[in-house]
Amino acid sequence: GAGVSQSPSNKVTEKGKDVELRCDPISGHTALYWYRQSLGQGLEFLIYFQGNSAPDKSGLPSDRFSAERTGGSVSTLTIQRTQQEDSAVYLCASSSLAGGRTDTQYFGPGTRLTVL
Amino acid sequence: AQSVAQPEDQVNVAEGNPLTVKCTYSVSGNPYLFWYVQYPNRGLQFLLKYITGDNLVKGSYGFEAEFNKSQTSFHLKKPSALVSDSALYFCAFMTTDSWGKLQFGAGTQVVVTP
Repeated sequence: GAGVSQSPSNKVTEKGKDVELRCDPISGHTALYWYRQSLGQGLEFLIYFQGNSAPDKSGLPSDRFSAERTGGSVSTLTIQRTQQEDSAVYLCASSSLAGGRTDTQYFGPGTRLTVL
Repeated sequence: AQSVAQPEDQVNVAEGNPLTVKCTYSVSGNPYLFWYVQYPNRGLQFLLKYITGDNLVKGSYGFEAEFNKSQTSFHLKKPSALVSDSALYFCAFMTTDSWGKLQFGAGTQVVVTP
């Protein structure tokens, strides 16, 4: 079946602009995750949505970052007033949780964000 | 702080030879350990995980890993490497205090030469 999809695949923006990154999880997966991959920081957890529970936002690096998940499916990660240090690949993952909270997370191809 | 370490930035191996990618963990309690692989300009692909039970875990593409509690290690192995195994490999963990949050090692670049 279809995997996790993300759009756009590449995004170039100017410092100070807002950007929105989209994630479509695998159909039926109740959990959705955002991670960031950068040269300096490696792979970092950002935020975790599980069903209708309040999201775990503990990995968001600043209040310029926010995310929402509408209808328990599609998620949007928004970065306001982008800075050059926000340049990274943003990865989305989803899992079914049918096997519990250690269920495998399946990743999308990522969105490469470049802030000029 | 809890973490996983991948002590080698790069592993070079000839095609057909055994491949080992090392991972050690520093995690309190019972760690849940994962291996992912990343090909250029692609997302992460799941290889295998250890949750509980048998210490030897078999995964995708002929890879396996052994959970060794006494050595706090979870090395990834493949008996005979292929050129197509050349990629970036990540070890990761999750704990009961951090459900849902995979925490990754720095990654090991594997280069398999023909």
